[in-house]
Formats: sequence, structure tokens, C-alpha cells
Amino acid sequence: DAGITQSPRHKVTETGTPVTLRCHQTENHRYMYWYRQDPGHGLRLIHYSYGVKDTDKGEVSDGYSVSRSKTEDFLLTLESATSSQTSVYFCAISLSRDSDTGELFFGEGSRLTVL
Amino acid sequence: TQLLEQSPQFLSIQEGENLTVYCNSSSVFSSLQWYRQEPGEGPVLLVTVVTGGEVKKLKRLTFQFGDARKDSSLHITAAQPGDTGLYLCAVGGDGPLVFGKGTRLSVIA
Repeated sequence: DAGITQSPRHKVTETGTPVTLRCHQTENHRYMYWYRQDPGHGLRLIHYSYGVKDTDKGEVSDGYSVSRSKTEDFLLTLESATSSQTSVYFCAISLSRDSDTGELFFGEGSRLTVL
Repeated sequence: TQLLEQSPQFLSIQEGENLTVYCNSSSVFSSLQWYRQEPGEGPVLLVTVVTGGEVKKLKRLTFQFGDARKDSSLHITAAQPGDTGLYLCAVGGDGPLVFGKGTRLSVIA
């Protein structure tokens, strides 16, 4: 079974501070994703990765950066958090090893509040 | 323009009733996925449909992919409180999955 651990699960921070969310997987899946979920907007893709050091932007990438230095870890960074980035952030992996449109397995989410 | 339109947005029904939710688009897709999300958790995959006209059943849940592969429906028979949650459809084909905004279902005992 795929295993994803997101950390932290909850964080409250102030506007202008940097924040890093971590996603750790245990199964060496190639494709990893960061989505944010907001009322009225559903799940929107922020960034995704198709391998170590290979990343690409999603629909709502402004204000976010990512890094993937190891297969198992995908980091999402908010360089200077804003109140509009208050959201629930989900990491996901593709269960397909060959396609980025495969079925997704999600982590439990990280709830971020920016005051 | 939203790629996927899900309807209704909200649905509140009594235990034992039947219901259908919809996922529509003007685009053709090679496959479509349905997920359910419970409060405080991540979405969980229910099913993937790939063939036009395909019908898949998962206990009391029946999923159908439209003949033209532009739309899908999810029918729940004799809904139970445990069916409460957010139902999301998602499509891929030209990159990562894109999700609809979901139907939030509440089943009252």
C-alpha cells in the first residue's frame, strides 16, 4: 500500500513568514503533486513533480515553489505567506509509474492559517 | 471556464433515499475518476471509468460513463449516513488530473 505522510498537519503563521510543507512517500512513486482545497474552488493543482529535480507548475503556482531532491520527499514552500494562502494543502502520488494522469492516492492534508 | 461541472453542489437527503450526482463537460476524455472525501481527510479513489457507456458498480454505488465520454453520473441506492461526504470527479489526458468542485452529500439518519 502507498503511504504518504504530510507535515505539519496544522500550522498557524503570520503574513510575510516563510512556510515549508513536507510530503514523504514510502513506495518510490515517480509522480507527486501538491493541491490546495478551498471552499467554492475545489482542488486546484499548485505544482507537480515527475522525478527527482523535475517539477512543473500547475494552475495556481504563483507564490509557491517546490523542490524534490529525493524520490521520497516533495517540499512545498511559501516564501512569504499571505492570507490568501490560508487553505488545506494536499499531497498526492500517482499510482501509475508511467503516467501523470493515473489514479491518485492522497495524504491527509495540511491545514495552514496565515494571520 | 470550468472544465468539469458537478451538480448539484449540495444535496441533503434522508437515509434510505436514492440519489444521482452528475459530472459534465463539453470535452471528451479518455477516462474519468470518482473520489469521495470525508471531513478532515484526503480524497479516496472510488472508481475509474474508461469506455463510453461503461457502467461500474461498487456495492450500492453505480457509476456510468456517458456514451460520448463527456459526462458521468454516480447513483447511490438506499443512501446511508456513512455515504456522507464530498464526491469529486476528475479527468486527465493532457497532464495532471483536473477536479470538479464536487457535490457535498449529507445523509440524515
